[in-house]
Amino acid sequence: EPEVTQTPSHQVTQMGQEVILRCVPISNHLYFYWYRQILGQKVEFLVSFYNNEISEKSEIFDDQFSVERPDGSNFTLKIRSTKLEDSAMYFCASKRPNYNEQFFGPGTRLTVL
Amino acid sequence: DQQVKQNSPSLSVQEGRISILNCDYTNSMFDYFLWYKKYPAEGPTFLISISSIKDKNEDGRFTVFLNKSAKHLSLHIVPSQPGDSAVYFCAARSGSRLTFGEGTQLTVNP
Repeated sequence: EPEVTQTPSHQVTQMGQEVILRCVPISNHLYFYWYRQILGQKVEFLVSFYNNEISEKSEIFDDQFSVERPDGSNFTLKIRSTKLEDSAMYFCASKRPNYNEQFFGPGTRLTVL
Repeated sequence: DQQVKQNSPSLSVQEGRISILNCDYTNSMFDYFLWYKKYPAEGPTFLISISSIKDKNEDGRFTVFLNKSAKHLSLHIVPSQPGDSAVYFCAARSGSRLTFGEGTQLTVNP
């Protein structure tokens, strides 16, 4: 069964550094999402992406964050200058057209020191 | 963000019995509701969903009920199996975003 994949599984970085989290959505999906879960908190929506542009973003998704679909298979989340509070599990999700269910990847654990 | 709440952090049931997980919401703009199951170190796995225009959806051992007037949904698992032990999240959609509850840890004892 097709799955969303994410790399790396764990990323450790120093505060102020840039990180790029990568996702390969399911191949016939056209809607893409990033969510995050800070330890002990709820899963939170960050951004949705369709047709090469952002459809919706949350208050968390400020100028430090950006998303890109650099080719036909990858979907990336970039954090320009990481802060301690960016430490979280980041989940990518994707969805087929005309369906409602979002399918999630295994997550990337980001640790900012 | 209190728009979606799961008030029970944990639930323990015996194998073969029914598990009932509950979720309450406050936002009337939610048009679709989903349940996800999550194991440690994995992403949420989609289980079952329901549109806001329906009151019940069934898929095998899983049934979701929606009470719009009470802004309440529940997930019934029957019969419960030890492999069902996981954290269960309800999520509600408005626009393109999902808003999640806190999760309920279900433990099914053999």
